[in-house]
Amino acid sequence: QKEVEQNSGPLSVPEGAIASLNCTYSDRGSQSFFWYRQYSGKSPELIMFIYSNGDKEDGRFTAQLNKASQYVSLLIRDSQPSDSATYLCAVNPSLSGGSNYKLTFGKGTLLTVNP
Amino acid sequence: DGGITQSPKYLFRKEGQNVTLSCEQNLNHDAMYWYRQDPGQGLRLIYYSQIVNDFQKGDIAEGYSVSREKKESFPLTVTSAQKNPTAFYLCATGTLDSGNTIYFGEGSWLTVV
Repeated sequence: QKEVEQNSGPLSVPEGAIASLNCTYSDRGSQSFFWYRQYSGKSPELIMFIYSNGDKEDGRFTAQLNKASQYVSLLIRDSQPSDSATYLCAVNPSLSGGSNYKLTFGKGTLLTVNP
Repeated sequence: DGGITQSPKYLFRKEGQNVTLSCEQNLNHDAMYWYRQDPGQGLRLIYYSQIVNDFQKGDIAEGYSVSREKKESFPLTVTSAQKNPTAFYLCATGTLDSGNTIYFGEGSWLTVV
C-alpha cells in the first residue's frame, strides 16, 4: 500500500513568519509531487508541483524535494492570515504497475496564521 | 468559461434512493476522477477513467457506479448500496502531459436525510 504521510496539525504560526509543511511517502519510485491548498468547504487548488531534487520557488512558496529521504516540504514565507487552510500533499506513483494516472494524497495539514 | 463543472452543488437524498452527480470538463483532459472527502479526512478515490468507455475502481468503489461515454463527461451514481453516502464529492481531471497534475471541480455536497 503506497502511503503519503502528513502531520495533521494544526500548525499555528504568527503573521509574517515562515510556515513549514512536511510530507513523507513510501513509494521510492514516485515521480512527481504536488501541493494543494484547500480552504474550509472548498475544493483543493493546486499551489505547485516539483519533479526534481532540490528547491522550486514560486512567489512566497518554496517546494523542497529529497527523493533519497522520500521527503517533500512546502515553505510559505511571510505567512498571511489568508494562507490559513489545509495543505494536501500528493504523490504520483512510479510509472510501473499501470497506476501512472493515480495520485496518492496525504490527509492534509491544517495551517492557521494568526494576525 | 472553461474548466470543470460539477452539479448540483448541494443535494439531499432520501435513504434508498440513487442519485447521480454530474461532472463535465472542457479542458480536453484524458483522465477523470471521482474522490470522496469526509469532514476532517483526506481524499479517497472512488473511480477513475483514463479513456472513453473505460474506467477502473479506486479504493472505495462499493456502492458507486460511473460511465465514460464521452471524453467530456464522467457522471457518478451513488446507489442505495452505499451505506454512508453523506460526504463532499470531488471530480477531477488530469493529463500525463503535465506530470499527472490533476485539477478539481468545485465539488458536490451530498446529504442523506
